[in-house]
Amino acid sequence: EAGVVQSPRYKIIEKKQPVAFWCNPISGHNTLYWYLQNLGQGPELLIRYENEEAVDDSQLPKDRFSAERLKGVDSTLKIQPAELGDSAVYLCASSKQGNNEQFFGPGTRLTVL
Amino acid sequence: KQEVTQIPAALSVPEGENLVLNCSFTDSAIYNLQWFRQDPGKGLTSLLLIQSSQREQTSGRLNASLDKSSGRSTLYIAASQPGDSATYLCAVRPRANNLFFGTGTRLTVIP
Repeated sequence: EAGVVQSPRYKIIEKKQPVAFWCNPISGHNTLYWYLQNLGQGPELLIRYENEEAVDDSQLPKDRFSAERLKGVDSTLKIQPAELGDSAVYLCASSKQGNNEQFFGPGTRLTVL
Repeated sequence: KQEVTQIPAALSVPEGENLVLNCSFTDSAIYNLQWFRQDPGKGLTSLLLIQSSQREQTSGRLNASLDKSSGRSTLYIAASQPGDSATYLCAVRPRANNLFFGTGTRLTVIP
């Protein structure tokens, strides 16, 4: 069974540029999560989807961050414009139901110059 | 807000030693607790999931315990190996909410 797939694995951009990350969850997992992980810290939730509905986006900085999961399968997280402080690892995770075990992808390491 | 603390932040042990990693959380009203492993530059690998009604879970050389009333969990690693070197993260799920992570314990097993 394939795990959670994320792309790209690494991204380097200049500040004020837009960037997008893609995630494909494990087949059959209807819950999808985007996390932000700063160096030396644990992941922090940005947004959680149940199928195509964003059920918790309270920690998503909506002035510059957006996300979508149009068909309830794969998802895209976008930052526009990127700031220096956005440099971090962006992790995607999925689970079968909202309260079950979460499985993580390898993450996208973003560097904003 | 749920706060999760992991002690120690870093730990070095010689190969073959048994060790315990600690996790504490402030709100005992949790649905479950999950232990993860993270290798440098990689994502998180789920190790063990303990439901709130359970006291412990075991997988191979790993044993995780949960004392919900005192807000504590431990991860016991038996007969440590160099391949166990990684950062270990504890995460709790409050009821109907999302995972709250600790900052992790960085483990180094010295051959």
